Amino acid sequence: GIQVEQSPPDLILQEGANSTLRCNFSDSVNNLQWFHQNPWGQLINLFYIPSGTKQNGRLSATTVATERYSLLYISSSQTTDSGVYFCAVTNQAGTALIFGKGTTLSVSS
Amino acid sequence: SAVISQKPSRDICQRGTSLTIQCQVDSQVTMMFWYRQQPGQSLTLIATANQGSEATYESGFVIDKFPISRPNLTFSTLTVSNMSPEDSSIYLCSGQFNYGYTFGSGTRLTVV
Repeated sequence: GIQVEQSPPDLILQEGANSTLRCNFSDSVNNLQWFHQNPWGQLINLFYIPSGTKQNGRLSATTVATERYSLLYISSSQTTDSGVYFCAVTNQAGTALIFGKGTTLSVSS
Repeated sequence: SAVISQKPSRDICQRGTSLTIQCQVDSQVTMMFWYRQQPGQSLTLIATANQGSEATYESGFVIDKFPISRPNLTFSTLTVSNMSPEDSSIYLCSGQFNYGYTFGSGTRLTVV
């Protein structure tokens, strides 16, 4: 099946810093989403982005489908950005999302 | 976007008992999915649940342990049967929509 690799596994930032999270995938994808899991375990959808670029406030994402990677940018990080960020994909044969192992982000004030 | 209400949000259960988790969607959805997230790990797909047919289970998950019901296009349940401490996890349901996938808020299960 399709493989999803996220990097870095852990990231520690000071408030106000910028960061880039990466997601590599091993096959063509029909769907790619970025999620933020907060400390209470809730999974928040950030972007549905199988290709192209999107922005939402301080967050933006870019997927280069032909090169099989996606990037999530966080600018001017805040303590509330802390948590685990997951990339998840489906390929053309699949229907369910397959998750990467996540990037754990810690933002300190 | 659709909203999926999941309950209970958390529970502490005795080993050997069963717990049923419910997910209610505020719109019709053809495909629903159940995931398990063990402590400190990523999400692992348990099964795919379509209305009117038996759920399709992933390798390592069996119907006797995780029976699933999908009586209509807005509702599904997952039962965790004969629980052991190794079943302590977050369980999440998900639905597939035109704009992507939405998740319930999760059930944090602790088995003692």
